Amino acid sequence: GQQLNQSPQSMFIQEGEDVSMNCTSSSIFNTWLWYKQDPGEGPVLLIALYKAGELTSNGRLTAQFGITRKDSFLNISASIPSDVGIYFCAGLNPGSARQLTFGSGTQLTVLP
Amino acid sequence: DTAVSQTPKYLVTQMGNDKSIKCEQNLGHDTMYWYKQDSKKFLKIMFSYNNKELIINETVPNRFSPKSPDKAHLNLHINSLELGDSAVYFCASSQERAPLHFGNGTRLTVT
Repeated sequence: GQQLNQSPQSMFIQEGEDVSMNCTSSSIFNTWLWYKQDPGEGPVLLIALYKAGELTSNGRLTAQFGITRKDSFLNISASIPSDVGIYFCAGLNPGSARQLTFGSGTQLTVLP
Repeated sequence: DTAVSQTPKYLVTQMGNDKSIKCEQNLGHDTMYWYKQDSKKFLKIMFSYNNKELIINETVPNRFSPKSPDKAHLNLHINSLELGDSAVYFCASSQERAPLHFGNGTRLTVT
């Protein structure tokens, strides 16, 4: 099936640093979603983007829907220990019958 | 609590056995899904039901059979379990094209 290219695969950062991760696709999407997965739990929605160029914030998180509709990024500012987890991007393309395509995830570790 | 709940959380069984995982959502959503997360954490869709009707059926072995008795429930039955079926299985639900809400997963270990 179709896959999104998500990078980086993993990140080790110091507490207080800013983080950036992104996803790219060879095809266009009309919705981009960012999820976070904590150990032993299911992915939880962080931010949803519905329009090309849209920039949306949720607390220390900011995500953007790329103008080309083929990419999206997620920024986390002033990281804290509870930001640790796996972050997934997901895209929904036109006519996909509600089938989300997920990126391969970014494992974030925040060092105290 | 409004949520997607799935049981059991852990399932350990031997090769060749048949097992079921249950999922219920009380969010009033019209679509439910089963995803498989492998050891590399990649999430892959298996099935999707909309109002009890199968709308997505990815390339999954016939040993996997979803059943939706009503739009709030989507169960997954697996026959003749194999070692490669070991994974975390997530149920999810959504309303129309809104984002998915996931359950907390069922970790299946086949020995």
